[in-house]
Amino acid sequence: NAGVTQTPKFQVLKTGQSMTLQCAQDMNHNSMYWYRQDPGMGLRLIYYSASEGTTDKGEVPNGYNVSRLNKREFSLRLESAAPSQTSVYFCATTGGVTGELFFGEGSRLTVL
Amino acid sequence: TQLLEQSPQFLSIQEGENLTVYCNSSSVFSSLQWYRQEPGEGPVLLVTVVTGGEVKKLKRLTFQFGDARKDSSLHITAAQPGDTGLYLCAGDRTGNQFYFGTGTSLTVIP
Repeated sequence: NAGVTQTPKFQVLKTGQSMTLQCAQDMNHNSMYWYRQDPGMGLRLIYYSASEGTTDKGEVPNGYNVSRLNKREFSLRLESAAPSQTSVYFCATTGGVTGELFFGEGSRLTVL
Repeated sequence: TQLLEQSPQFLSIQEGENLTVYCNSSSVFSSLQWYRQEPGEGPVLLVTVVTGGEVKKLKRLTFQFGDARKDSSLHITAAQPGDTGLYLCAGDRTGNQFYFGTGTSLTVIP
């Protein structure tokens, strides 16, 4: 049982390039999230999806797009990467009564 | 600025000492969680508090939710090197919309 799987784990991009971070969960949860983590900033919510077919902006959505492809998958796309998007990105899911968030291992993105 | 501010940002103490980490906001939360994160991994849940004034204990860790549900604290008694990590609070505002604090990096020196 993998839980939450993120790909890729590492990526280096040049300014202006595009890429998609993939996230898949096998926990049958409705809600999924994308966070970014920067030193001294904790985790900041980029987008979330309360259920299949719905997405909403979080704290820092500018420069990102998301797709909730189905109940299992939630992808994050950078259309034109900028150095300010250098960060570690975490996907998370929740669906139980306790509201516990389950995280992937993170994707480290560097934009040169 | 972030919705939840934690203090201190960094904490380095000797084994056996006590410490308190604070999580503050001007917003009200329906629940508040504390997570611990190790390097290279995602955060892992320690506790959830849902009632104003609630106190929960997890071995040497004591968590408190403020009466007004705007703030929380984490107290560790007799810290051990295994407590070293990044501690994050997270508040749920409108039903499964979780916002994280700025984080407290704890180092316990043997």
